[in-house]
Amino acid sequence: EVQLVESGGGLVQPGGSLRLSCAASGFTYSTYWMTWVRQAPGKGLEWVANIKEDGSEKNYVDSVKGRFTISRDNAENSLYLQMNSLRAEDTAVYYCAREGLYVGVDTSYHFYYYMDVWGKGTTVTVSS
Amino acid sequence: DIQMTQSPSSLSASVGDRVTITCRASQSISNYLNWYQKKPGKAPKVLIYAASTLQGGGPSRFSGSGSGTDFTLTISSLQPEDFATYYCQQNYNPPHTFGGGTRVEIQ
Repeated sequence: EVQLVESGGGLVQPGGSLRLSCAASGFTYSTYWMTWVRQAPGKGLEWVANIKEDGSEKNYVDSVKGRFTISRDNAENSLYLQMNSLRAEDTAVYYCAREGLYVGVDTSYHFYYYMDVWGKGTTVTVSS
Repeated sequence: DIQMTQSPSSLSASVGDRVTITCRASQSISNYLNWYQKKPGKAPKVLIYAASTLQGGGPSRFSGSGSGTDFTLTISSLQPEDFATYYCQQNYNPPHTFGGGTRVEIQ
């Protein structure tokens, strides 16, 4: 069964750190981009960061740049999100997701990515 | 960063209604547009990718269209299980921003 399971969430004080993990199973993890998405209480979905199959490319939303670091261990089929200098506005459910790929062809190749497998999420609360 | 704007932010509809949700990008994103369904306490689920391709196993009452900056998600005949919040998302350029969401409620 294709599965993603997040862990590592909890209550942390402002300015503190937390490391989220996402364990992948049931698919060839090393061949997929992976992404973190969050949802703050009562708010919409926010894309946070993604990482290329081999870890050589990483992207972040501006609000977490310099504070969060996405990484992966393909030998352990695991994805991580190191969160430092946490703020109240980082309070959210954090989801990891697999990026599926669809290749469209007309006069050239087009690579369409979409999040096709999601974990159930882990809750991060930043509060004193 | 590319901004994604959805409208309406919420709507009320009845079972059997045809529902249309729109999504506008702040710049052209070709057809690099996905639609997701989100229910409270559940993980999001992809419905449509590449603007108009139905995810495998997805109900055929869902359809997507558009290219460039303007996109629509249509539910041809609303079912009880469709009451949820819907999000568009661009994957043209990182960060792969979501729209603000459209909550579909029971009338």
